Amino acid sequence: DGGITQSPKYLFRKEGQNVTLSCEQNLNHDAMYWYRQDPGQGLRLIYYSQIVNDFQKGDIAEGYSVSREKKESFPLTVTSAQKNPTAFYLCASSIGTGPPNEQYFGPGTRLTVT
Amino acid sequence: QKEVEQNSGPLSVPEGAIASLNCTYSDRGSQSFFWYRQYSGKSPELIMFIYSNGDKEDGRFTAQLNKASQYVSLLIRDSQPSDSATYLCAVYKNNRLAFGKGNQVVVIP
Repeated sequence: DGGITQSPKYLFRKEGQNVTLSCEQNLNHDAMYWYRQDPGQGLRLIYYSQIVNDFQKGDIAEGYSVSREKKESFPLTVTSAQKNPTAFYLCASSIGTGPPNEQYFGPGTRLTVT
Repeated sequence: QKEVEQNSGPLSVPEGAIASLNCTYSDRGSQSFFWYRQYSGKSPELIMFIYSNGDKEDGRFTAQLNKASQYVSLLIRDSQPSDSATYLCAVYKNNRLAFGKGNQVVVIP
């Protein structure tokens, strides 16, 4: 089955710790995205990558970092510099970044930082 | 002005009725428009997208686009309890999607 996997589903961390969220896709999509969703809010773009070894900041990149060493993988690190890291994190992919840009989402990782 | 606005509050519809959702966008250069459904605690799933003015139908769903007025709508015919979810509108421009906050739909049996 083709799809996007994110692990873990739930993640708990202490304040001050960096944490890495996994995102893997086997859809052969070139583009991958990370979003954050807070309660009652829409999705906000953190980072996106159009091709391997290339990525661009989205609207809320501060306190986050990414890498794209393989086409299938786009991990997100939430650093201690992110002031409000508790949120629902969603990874998505699309064939490319051009229109229409149908994006498909993984199941998400719910991060809680205390 | 927000890029994508979905202003109406929770929508309650009787089972079998039509649910109507609206979305407005600010950038006239936007090229394609999406509707996603998100169940509570789950990730968004793509329902359909549209990029030409007019209507596009897929099963019980119809998307309507009016670029002159800068709005896109979603109609859900014969609403079912399984349609109870939050519906997110998204607009594509410059390699990315901008999302609205979503509209909650509750279908009452």
